[in-house]
Amino acid sequence: RKEVEQDPGPFNVPEGATVAFNCTYSNSASQSFFWYRQDCRKEPKLLMSVYSSGNEDGRFTAQLNRASQYISLLIRDSKLSDSATYLCVVIPFGGRALTFGSGTRLQVQP
Amino acid sequence: SQTIHQWPATLVQPVGSPLSLECTVEGTSNPNLYWYRQAAGRGLQLLFYSVGIGQISSEVPQNLSASRPQDRQFILSSKKLLLSDSGFYLCAWSVLGVNYGYTFGSGTRLTVV
Repeated sequence: RKEVEQDPGPFNVPEGATVAFNCTYSNSASQSFFWYRQDCRKEPKLLMSVYSSGNEDGRFTAQLNRASQYISLLIRDSKLSDSATYLCVVIPFGGRALTFGSGTRLQVQP
Repeated sequence: SQTIHQWPATLVQPVGSPLSLECTVEGTSNPNLYWYRQAAGRGLQLLFYSVGIGQISSEVPQNLSASRPQDRQFILSSKKLLLSDSGFYLCAWSVLGVNYGYTFGSGTRLTVV
């Protein structure tokens, strides 16, 4: 079983739509969680950290469910510029490096 | 400000040739440094990480090696490239600790032919 699993998509949504991605992780002792965004042929960039209480940054909301071992990313009022691949990232307990999911591709259409 | 530099941006190398990719960080000291590889359509695979000069941890056995000759310099090397070494190589750094995430360089797209 992969350490971090994501639906590869693509998720094709119209502008203005709300879209949500889930990601599951296998190590119950994982300690830190992030969402990264990667544009085509570019490096990944940190979108937001995911806190136990959930957190929001503008149109983006991230949540963590430790009991079910998944994290989610909700994007409201999708923009064309949101089109990208969203990477779920986990740090295993005691880990020295980030473990990345394979990503979920989002395509926002006009 | 803190910046990370990777070069070259693209590289086409024949099978069996050597490889040297360089990553340097500016504006910080004693960063943790990482090399990742992303194969086409795949996720990021951690190759090496370093917590200090001369300290290298290897995550995946393969024909690649890494070195950290200076605090802010991280080098990825190979003596003989394989076709399977093709991919997008990314260097990353963190200063506050891995729990704060890290920042990637712009990457090197390597094609082995």
